[in-house]
Amino acid sequence: EVQLVESGGGLVQPGGSLRLSCAASGFTFSNYWMHWVRQAPGKGLLWVSRINSDGRSTTYADSVKGRFTISRDNAKNTLYLQMNSLRAEDTAVYHCARGLGGSSTGTTAYWGQGSLVTVSS
Amino acid sequence: DIQMTQSPSSLSASVGDRVTITCRASQSISAFLNWYQQKPGKAPELLIHAASSLQSGVPSRFSGSGSGTDFTLSISNLQPEDFATYYCQQSYSAPLTFGQGTRLDIK
Repeated sequence: EVQLVESGGGLVQPGGSLRLSCAASGFTFSNYWMHWVRQAPGKGLLWVSRINSDGRSTTYADSVKGRFTISRDNAKNTLYLQMNSLRAEDTAVYHCARGLGGSSTGTTAYWGQGSLVTVSS
Repeated sequence: DIQMTQSPSSLSASVGDRVTITCRASQSISAFLNWYQQKPGKAPELLIHAASSLQSGVPSRFSGSGSGTDFTLSISNLQPEDFATYYCQQSYSAPLTFGQGTRLDIK
């Protein structure tokens, strides 16, 4: 069974930093693209970032480019999101998601329950 | 960026009904279109990928169609567990973008 468990969220002041982790199990982590998607309270889904299977290729939404960094440790089956210069508008539940597999780079097949990040003074 | 527009934003229906949700892309995305279902307090689940391919384990009452810029998600014989919010998402190019969501309520 595919499992994705996020951790590392919490309350942080504007301008602060936070690192989210996503522990993966139930599949061969190193074979799949991975994504971060966020959802502000009561709002829709916003894709944040993705990383390819070996970690060499990353893509970001414009709203987080230069502030957030996605990375992965395939030996530890873990995905990360380093978030710097946080803003109030970054407040959201952050979900990690596994790619569909095969040639797909933009479809997410499994999602974690998410980790809440609150940016407030 | 490719903008995705869903309609309607909300919809009321009864158990047993057939409903259709539409999604329009601001430019052609071929068949790089996915549909997700999200229930309150839960993570989204993939229903359909590549516009019309049913994800494993998803009931056959869900179906998708379309290509280019116009897509539809249809749900036949609505069941109580189908009342949720539905999102389309383009996987044609980064940044990946979602529609604003369609909330399906019980009438």
